[in-house]
Amino acid sequence: DTEVTQTPKHLVMGMTNKKSLKCEQHMGHRAMYWYKQKAKKPPELMFVYSYEKLSINESVPSRFSPECPNSSLLNLHLHALQPEDSALYLCASSRDHGRNYNEQFFGPGTRLTVL
Amino acid sequence: KQEVTQIPAALSVPEGENLVLNCSFTDSAIYNLQWFRQDPGKGLTSLLLIQSSQREQTSGRLNASLDKSSGRSTLYIAASQPGDSATYLCAVRPRSGAGSYQLTFGKGTKLSVIP
Repeated sequence: DTEVTQTPKHLVMGMTNKKSLKCEQHMGHRAMYWYKQKAKKPPELMFVYSYEKLSINESVPSRFSPECPNSSLLNLHLHALQPEDSALYLCASSRDHGRNYNEQFFGPGTRLTVL
Repeated sequence: KQEVTQIPAALSVPEGENLVLNCSFTDSAIYNLQWFRQDPGKGLTSLLLIQSSQREQTSGRLNASLDKSSGRSTLYIAASQPGDSATYLCAVRPRSGAGSYQLTFGKGTKLSVIP
């Protein structure tokens, strides 16, 4: 299985809602990433988990809360989002952070709309 | 700070043509460079990854080259097909510093192959 899956594909939420995005991979990868991509822009890194520990938080607002329950799963919990948070949220994984093993494989993304 | 530039921003070619997409980066201290394809509203598909010690990688009709000293990479697509129409992104991974966890992306080249 060489696939990264993400659910849901689309999500519409109000500013007071709480929702979660899910990401799963079964490639035995030990590094997982969340990216945010706005229209016609490249992806921007949000969080990096390495061996289920948060390694990088790129100054992301606290209304985004990542969670890595195990080596195959990565969640992004959303609360009190703003309309400007509407974007495509991409999950990626790589074998680990080592120099030779960091080819990143991306999921199909979750299209999030905040009303 | 690493900057990645892709030229042109958009390219339209007739079916069957061979074409070259360009990527340049400002800091040659990289671990590797990765080329991705992205269809509208979709995730990123990894095409090729070139380690800093390599000069080129090939996969099917795709050939990517890397000249680290001059900060350049090219993606050559042979015998283009309408199905190749997508946005192509290149990304580099810095060799050191806090940013070595993340990829620095270019803004992409939007390719249209006309039947």
